[in-house]
Amino acid sequence: AQSVAQPEDQVNVAEGNPLTVKCTYSVSGNPYLFWYVQYPNRGLQFLLKYITGDNLVKGSYGFEAEFNKSQTSFHLKKPSALVSDSALYFCAVRLTGRRALTFGSGTRLQVQP
Amino acid sequence: SAVISQKPSRDICQRGTSLTIQCQVDSQVTMMFWYRQQPGQSLTLIATANQGSEATYESGFVIDKFPISRPNLTFSTLTVSNMSPEDSSIYLCSVEGAEGNTIYFGEGSWLTVV
Repeated sequence: AQSVAQPEDQVNVAEGNPLTVKCTYSVSGNPYLFWYVQYPNRGLQFLLKYITGDNLVKGSYGFEAEFNKSQTSFHLKKPSALVSDSALYFCAVRLTGRRALTFGSGTRLQVQP
Repeated sequence: SAVISQKPSRDICQRGTSLTIQCQVDSQVTMMFWYRQQPGQSLTLIATANQGSEATYESGFVIDKFPISRPNLTFSTLTVSNMSPEDSSIYLCSVEGAEGNTIYFGEGSWLTVV
C-alpha cells in the first residue's frame, strides 16, 4: 500500500546543532514529496517539495531535504537549529493518480536553548 | 502561493447543531481540499471540491455529515452537521497553487463541540 511514515514522534535538539526529521515513503512511480510546518495554534505552512531534479531541495527558513530513492526517504534537515524552529513537522506525499496529499503522522521538534 | 482565509477561526458549538466554515482564496483555483485534524493527530482528507461538480468524499466521510459547496473558483464552504464532541477538530481548507504541484493551507477553523 502507498504511504508515508514519520518514525519519530519527537525530536529534541540543542540550539545551534544540526537537526534531522525523518520521513520514508512507499509510492509506486515517481513520488512527489513535501514538508510542512505547523506552529502552535496555526495552520500548515509549506516548507519545500521534491518533484524531480536535484536530490537536495532547499526551502524556507533555511530548511533543506534530501531525496534518496534507494532508501525511499526524504529527510528534512537544517544545519543550525533555532529555538523558533520548535513546531510540528509533517511529511506528505502525492500518491499516484491523486491530487490531494497524504500526510505522515507528524514529528514534534523541540529545540532547547 | 495563494492566500487563503477561513471563517470562523474558532468556535465553540453545541452538540447537535451544525456549523458552516467558509474558505476564500485570493485567486482562482481549480482544486480545493478540505482536511480534518483531530487533537494531537495528523491531517485526514475529508473531500476534494471542484467547481461545477459534486465534491468527492474520502472513505469514512459522507455528504450528509459534511456537505460541501463550491459555487465559484475562489470560494468553498464545509458544513459540519449534527455535531458531536468527536467532531472537535481543526478543519483546514487547502488549494492547489497555480503551478499545479504545491498545496497551500488556510489557518484552519478550530471547532470545539460541547
